[in-house]
Order: sequence, then structure tokens, then C-alpha cells
Amino acid sequence: NAGVMQNPRHLVRRRGQEARLRCSPMKGHSHVYWYRQLPEEGLKFMVYLQKENIIDESGMPKERFSAEFPKEGPSILRIQQVVRGDSAAYFCASSPQDGREYDEQFFGPGTRLTVL
Amino acid sequence: AQSVAQPEDQVNVAEGNPLTVKCTYSVSGNPYLFWYVQYPNRGLQFLLKYITGDNLVKGSYGFEAEFNKSQTSFHLKKPSALVSDSALYFCAVCGAGSYQLTFGKGTKLSVIP
Repeated sequence: NAGVMQNPRHLVRRRGQEARLRCSPMKGHSHVYWYRQLPEEGLKFMVYLQKENIIDESGMPKERFSAEFPKEGPSILRIQQVVRGDSAAYFCASSPQDGREYDEQFFGPGTRLTVL
Repeated sequence: AQSVAQPEDQVNVAEGNPLTVKCTYSVSGNPYLFWYVQYPNRGLQFLLKYITGDNLVKGSYGFEAEFNKSQTSFHLKKPSALVSDSALYFCAVCGAGSYQLTFGKGTKLSVIP
């Protein structure tokens, strides 16, 4: 049973470009979460999605960031017009279909975004 | 608002000795508490969680954690440390009705041979 998959693992963008990060949850999981980890810090919640629905985006910056989890295909975290401060590791996690708040979340290996 | 504090940035322990990594939390209502471990350039791996019931929770790789409601703590412990336990450890809390995990800043554990 494959774990949570993220790609690319490393992404380099110049200021002003767009970054697209992809996440495929574990088989049988329909809840996806995105977290950001800045250097020397813990993970910060960004957004929680179920298939075709954004459930909680309270951690998402109001501008330039968006997320989706379509009926078919992976979840996408999109960052438009990237700035140097967006450089971080972005982690995706998933939890089972009947998701309860105390279910453990299973994390992917992360995408390390570097903005030049 | 929920929050987690890990008061030690780094913990050093000799191989074979017991280890403790500290965590305190703040949350409204009953907490759900988690420990994760992160190896370099890897994602987080789940170790254990507390939902309700017995205050001593046993998890993967011989780790355990003790929930203390009065002290709002959830310290991670292991009776005998291994060099392979060296990693970054994160404590996290989730309040009832919230799906957001709030993480501490992490504690770097170094087990010295």
C-alpha cells in the first residue's frame, strides 16, 4: 500500500513564477491536509480538503495561494507570483475516509520549494 | 486557540540511557495529542497518540508517552535510547471538532554512542 506521494520533491522557481505542488493521498483516504514548514520551525497548517471541497482554509495566506482536490487526480497546492519568503518545505498529509479529528494523519515526503 | 510548547530545542542522551522529550499544550476542551518523528529530508512518521483513557500510551519503536491533564503535558519517553532514535521529534495537538494539527517547534534528539 503506497504511502502519501508528493511531487516534485524539489522545486526551484524565480520570483514571480508559479509553483504547483501535487499530492496523492494514501489509497482509501479522501481527506487531505497541507502544511508548511519554514526553516527551524514546526509545521503550520494551511488547508484541509475533501474531494471537491475546501473544508478549512484558515491557514492559507489570503493572496497568491490556492488549493484544490478534484474528483479525479491529485490535490494541488498552487502558489502564484512566488516570493523568496515562500521558500519552505510543503507537506501533504491524508487521513481515512471516515475522518475523525483524532485520526492520525499520514505525511508525504514533502516538496522543498526554493525561490531564487 | 490551540498551542504546543517543546521547551528544549535539543536533547542529548547516551545510548542505552532513558530519554524524555518534553511537551506541554494548550487547547479548549479535551485534547487529542500526537507525537511524530522526522528524519532528515523525510516526511513525518506517526509514533503514537492520546485520545482518551489510560494516561500511558505506547507507540512505535518502543516509545511511550504520558498524558498529564493537570500539568497539560504529554512527554515522550523511551527506557533505553538507540543511536537510530536520533531525529527531530514533534508534538502536536488537535482540539475536539478541529482537524488542524498544531505542532511544536520540534526537539532534536541526539543519541550518543
